[in-house]
Amino acid sequence: KQEVTQIPAALSVPEGENLVLNCSFTDSAIYNLQWFRQDPGKGLTSLLLIQSSQREQTSGRLNASLDKSSGRSTLYIAASQPGDSATYLCAVKGGTASKLTFGTGTRLQVTL
Amino acid sequence: ETGVTQTPRHLVMGMTNKKSLKCEQHLGHNAMYWYKQSAKKPLELMFVYSLEERVENNSVPSRFSPECPNSSHLFLHLHTLQPEDSALYLCASSLRTGGDSPLHFGNGTRLTVT
Repeated sequence: KQEVTQIPAALSVPEGENLVLNCSFTDSAIYNLQWFRQDPGKGLTSLLLIQSSQREQTSGRLNASLDKSSGRSTLYIAASQPGDSATYLCAVKGGTASKLTFGTGTRLQVTL
Repeated sequence: ETGVTQTPRHLVMGMTNKKSLKCEQHLGHNAMYWYKQSAKKPLELMFVYSLEERVENNSVPSRFSPECPNSSHLFLHLHTLQPEDSALYLCASSLRTGGDSPLHFGNGTRLTVT
């Protein structure tokens, strides 16, 4: 059974810092991996999707990497801003018809 | 606007009440989902509908009863709930259930069972 772990559970950084969020999964036979953002009291917004054959995806200040063999993904946020404060969730899909398995998220706070 | 609208945003109900959660999507998607998000737990998939047919039911207690009258609307009927059912209930939709179709989430219904 796939398990997804995100460490740390919470993180506070000053504005302008570059930071890395971690995601690990127990079964390396994945179809894709996605990173989502969730603002308080809101639903999830998809940020980046990495196919199992890809090593990384970039969108603006966000870069997500995937190392399938070691069961790890990282989300790199450059030049963090207070507006980046949110919970970031990682989710993996085991096969094209499989459901997503989510981690518990990392709650990020970017301070002024 | 997310394209997926959930009502109500907040709901408080007693254990003997019957209530319904509503979800509506205007994205032309064919698949709709109910997820449960409890504090400090990963999102749990409850039900999946594809073209109004239920294709997945993840061992959800019968006190939760989904209904999908058409591809744009999804309901979750609730009756005789327990306090541990208090959570954020999220609806999502996607173009189809398989492949890389991204999920689009609503803002959820915060349910409190007293």
